[in-house]
Amino acid sequence: GNSVTQMEGPVTLSEEAFLTINCTYTATGYPSLFWYVQYPGEGLQLLLKATKADDKGSNKGFEATYRKETTSFHLEKGSVQVSDSAVYFCALSEPFNAGNNRKLIWGLGTSLAVNP
Amino acid sequence: EAQVTQNPRYLITVTGKKLTVTCSQNMNHEYMSWYRQDPGLGLRQIYYSMNVEVTDKGDVPEGYKVSRKEKRNFPLILESPSPNQTSLYFCASSKEGFYGYTFGSGTRLTVV
Repeated sequence: GNSVTQMEGPVTLSEEAFLTINCTYTATGYPSLFWYVQYPGEGLQLLLKATKADDKGSNKGFEATYRKETTSFHLEKGSVQVSDSAVYFCALSEPFNAGNNRKLIWGLGTSLAVNP
Repeated sequence: EAQVTQNPRYLITVTGKKLTVTCSQNMNHEYMSWYRQDPGLGLRQIYYSMNVEVTDKGDVPEGYKVSRKEKRNFPLILESPSPNQTSLYFCASSKEGFYGYTFGSGTRLTVV
């Protein structure tokens, strides 16, 4: 079945460091790919998305490119801030077809701590 | 403001006492879903609804019920809660899956 694998955390960085969180997926067809962020004590917020191969999603300085050849959607940011400390989830939405419930398949999350 | 509203945010209850977690969205989305989040297991889908009066089981539906009588509301019902249902619950809605999903703020449920 479809699955998402993301790098385990926690990841600890100093402010202004470069961030990469790896995410790879297994899916039939052409899923949509997402990064969600969960700040401490809060719900899940959509950070960015990509719906087809070679699309680049971007938001708040974060970027991720949909790479079908490597089945990857790695999250990157050039210069992290303390306020970026959160848990980051990679997810895919299964391609819609008859009987498919469009559920999200989730990675287990990567905790990021950014120190001043 | 476009949002998904869940209530309550926190709930402590006793085993066997029926409870309902409400979920409401103001975006006219057809699709709604419930997830639970547990350490080491990630997020797992409980139930989903494609539209009014259309609901179906997700991956972990045992012990839960849902209803979709109106487009905006999708309550999660625990008829007889047990301690293994202690978890963080999220409601989500979407117009089309590939556009992404809007999540509620979560309900932290503790069953003692």
